[in-house]
Formats: sequence, structure tokens, C-alpha cells
Amino acid sequence: NAGVTQTPKFQVLKTGQSMTLQCAQDMNHEYMSWYRQDPGMGLRLIHYSVGAGITDQGEVPNGYNVSRSTTEDFPLRLLSAAPSQTSVYFCASRAGYSNQPQHFGDGTRLSIL
Amino acid sequence: AQTVTQSQPEMSVQEAETVTLSCTYDTSESDYYLFWYKQPPSRQMILVIRQEAYKQQNATENRFSVNFQKAAKSFSLKISDSQLGDAAMYFCAYSRLSGGSRLTFGEGTQLTVNP
Repeated sequence: NAGVTQTPKFQVLKTGQSMTLQCAQDMNHEYMSWYRQDPGMGLRLIHYSVGAGITDQGEVPNGYNVSRSTTEDFPLRLLSAAPSQTSVYFCASRAGYSNQPQHFGDGTRLSIL
Repeated sequence: AQTVTQSQPEMSVQEAETVTLSCTYDTSESDYYLFWYKQPPSRQMILVIRQEAYKQQNATENRFSVNFQKAAKSFSLKISDSQLGDAAMYFCAYSRLSGGSRLTFGEGTQLTVNP
């Protein structure tokens, strides 16, 4: 099973560029979310979605945009990349019940020069 | 807002020995879920164990067990018979019953296993 697939795995951008991090899951999970991981800070929630057409902000949403047009896909857009957005990004999904664990993708390492 | 604190940035253990990783959290909710995730150098996030706050019994998964103290808001992870493959960053995480996928993570504890 593919699980949660993130592309690309690595990316280098210049300040001001825009890009989209892709996330797809094949488990028919309702909930999907994006986290960023910075050294010494654990993972922090950027945006999340409870179903197709429904998204909401997390802890650190500024500079990022999301949409959820299908159950399977949840792309994360960087509108105008800044060096502070250099991080490792994780997409996650889970089934409908809150006690179910999140399934994480392998992460995208993003560097902004 | 909920917060999760892991006060041990680094821990080390001898192979075959037992180690305990600490986690405390702050919440005003009475029902919630707690998780321990493992992140090896491959960067994958792997679920180790989970605990439902309404259950008094501590969760166990093979060599991994937790000590859940709800009144103290403490959720420690005990790894018995440590193996070299246990070396990783370990994250404690909190989840509300509602609010979608909102996991709140601690800062992580880097575990080294010495042969």
C-alpha cells in the first residue's frame, strides 16, 4: 500500500518563488494535515482538513495556502518563499475517529535561499 | 491552548537495558489521546504507542509501555530490553477528541542506544 505520498522529497527555492508541495493518500482518510518540523521545536501544525472542501488553519499558517478538492489530495502552497520557511514538511492523514493514529508521509526537505 | 513538554533533549541507554522518556502536557480537557511517535534517521514518523485518557490502564506494545498519570498530566514512555534499532528521536503528542487532525507535539527526545 502506498499510504501517504509526498512529492518532492527535496527542493531548493529562491526567496520570493512560489511552489506547491504535493500530498496524496490512498486510504480514503477524511482528515489530512500539514506540519513543519524545525530543530528543537517538534512538529507544528500549518493547516488541516476534515474533508473535501473543508480546511482550517493550524498553529503556523502564515505564508501557506491549502485546498482540498478531493479526498485523496491535499496540496500545500508557498505563496512567496522566505528563508524562515526552510524546514522539513510532513503531510499526514487519519481515519475519522480521533483515537486513530496519523499516517505520515516521508517528508519534504525544503531550503529557501 | 494545549502544550506538550519533553524536558530531556537527549537520553542514552545501554543495549538490553531499560530507559524512560518523560513527557508532560497541559490541557483543560478531560478526554483526549496521547501518542508516542518514533522518528529514526530515515525521517519517517512511526507510531509507537497510544493512550486514551479515559482508560486507567496503561498501554503496552511489546517492549514499549507507558506510565500515564492523568492527575499529574504526565505520560512517560518506558522502553525495555533496548535494541540498537530503538535509536531515534521520540516525540510525545497530544490530540483532542474534536478539532480534526490537531496533534500537538513536544520538542522531542533524541535516544542513543550504546552497544
